[in-house]
Amino acid sequence: QKEVEQDPGPLSVPEGAIVSLNCTYSNSAFQYFMWYRQYSRKGPELLMYTYSSGNKEDGRFTAQVDKSSKYISLFIRDSQPSDSATYLCAMSAGGSEKLVFGKGTKLTVNP
Amino acid sequence: DGGITQSPKYLFRKEGQNVTLSCEQNLNHDAMYWYRQDPGQGLRLIYYSQIVNDFQKGDIAEGYSVSREKKESFPLTVTSAQKNPTAFYLCASSIAGGGWTGELFFGEGSRLTVL
Repeated sequence: QKEVEQDPGPLSVPEGAIVSLNCTYSNSAFQYFMWYRQYSRKGPELLMYTYSSGNKEDGRFTAQVDKSSKYISLFIRDSQPSDSATYLCAMSAGGSEKLVFGKGTKLTVNP
Repeated sequence: DGGITQSPKYLFRKEGQNVTLSCEQNLNHDAMYWYRQDPGQGLRLIYYSQIVNDFQKGDIAEGYSVSREKKESFPLTVTSAQKNPTAFYLCASSIAGGGWTGELFFGEGSRLTVL
């Protein structure tokens, strides 16, 4: 079993849809959870950060972490064409300062 | 503006040649990283450095070498020993130590093609 699993998609939705992106993981030591957004031919940028379990909301974006199920999610409300990108989940146990990335899900939001 | 600069953006190399990718940051970050990204593979860590004159191998270090002589610079050499070097290479930096929150600042990447 890979340490982090992420459905690569691609995922195509109409503008205004609610998007759900997910990752599962196997390492119970992970406690820092992140979502990065990567536009085509660019470097990733941090979108959301969550420590341990719970929810975090930032505008149209909500990140959820369920450590009991080893499952994290990113929800995008009222999706826009500018949200079209690849979304990478990443997580770490901390201390070692190394992140483990999922393979990324490519999202296209159609006008 | 603070950030990370990678060069060149595109690079073509013949088989058997070494090539060096440049990475410079002016964010005053202690930690720097090199990742490789292949289609459908996500990001894989090649090397990382938490302090000047020290670096550690990541998950796929074979065929690569790095140096960290200055805080601002972390060049990556792709040697002829790397069997499949065609990829998108990303350099990143972060703060180190107890204040680290997981945020990596990435450059715009270098795309290497071996002919």
